Amino acid sequence: DTGVSQNPRHKITKRGQNVTFRCDPISEHNRLYWYRQTLGQGPEFLTYFQNEAQLEKSRLLSDRFSAERPKGSFSTLEIQRTEQGDSAMYLCASSLAGRGRETQYFGPGTRLLVL
Amino acid sequence: QKEVEQNSGPLSVPEGAIASLNCTYSDRGSQSFFWYRQYSGKSPELIMFIYSNGDKEDGRFTAQLNKASQYVSLLIRDSQPSDSATYLCAVKTSYDKVIFGPGTSLSVIP
Repeated sequence: DTGVSQNPRHKITKRGQNVTFRCDPISEHNRLYWYRQTLGQGPEFLTYFQNEAQLEKSRLLSDRFSAERPKGSFSTLEIQRTEQGDSAMYLCASSLAGRGRETQYFGPGTRLLVL
Repeated sequence: QKEVEQNSGPLSVPEGAIASLNCTYSDRGSQSFFWYRQYSGKSPELIMFIYSNGDKEDGRFTAQLNKASQYVSLLIRDSQPSDSATYLCAVKTSYDKVIFGPGTSLSVIP
């Protein structure tokens, strides 16, 4: 297993455009998280899935953000009508959820720059 | 009150010294606690996890957990310049979600 992968690694877009990011988790992991991280801050929770079910979406997330995990494997995060404030590193992590014990493994991230 | 807080940095220690990183959390029912290291421009990597009160040691790293005080710490003994990074405390809360603190930047001076 090669770990968590994310594509693309970098994305530059113009304000108002839509972007989509992909995350491929570790194959046997049933949970998948999306985080956003800006310089000097810790990862900010966006949403997470258990298998194909989206369990929670951050209240801070606007309707421009949507995520899917259609078959319980890979996931996509789409940002519509991007704004300059969306510029950040978008991190995906996967884990095997168990009783009270859950270790997340992170992908390399997708760095988004909105011009 | 933020869900996970960490001592503000940056923290500077001389090479060979002990670095002490602290974290507090608000959800008393939190179950699991993690320390991640993040180098600039890279994604977080897991260093330690701890579930039970007390100390857990792994090489130069020791994690300490006190659930009554809602406090978890990370000690790095014999600090090396390669330990210079941001250290993130993460907590799996009682509502089954993993939340990260803001991180503490550590600089080990040769």
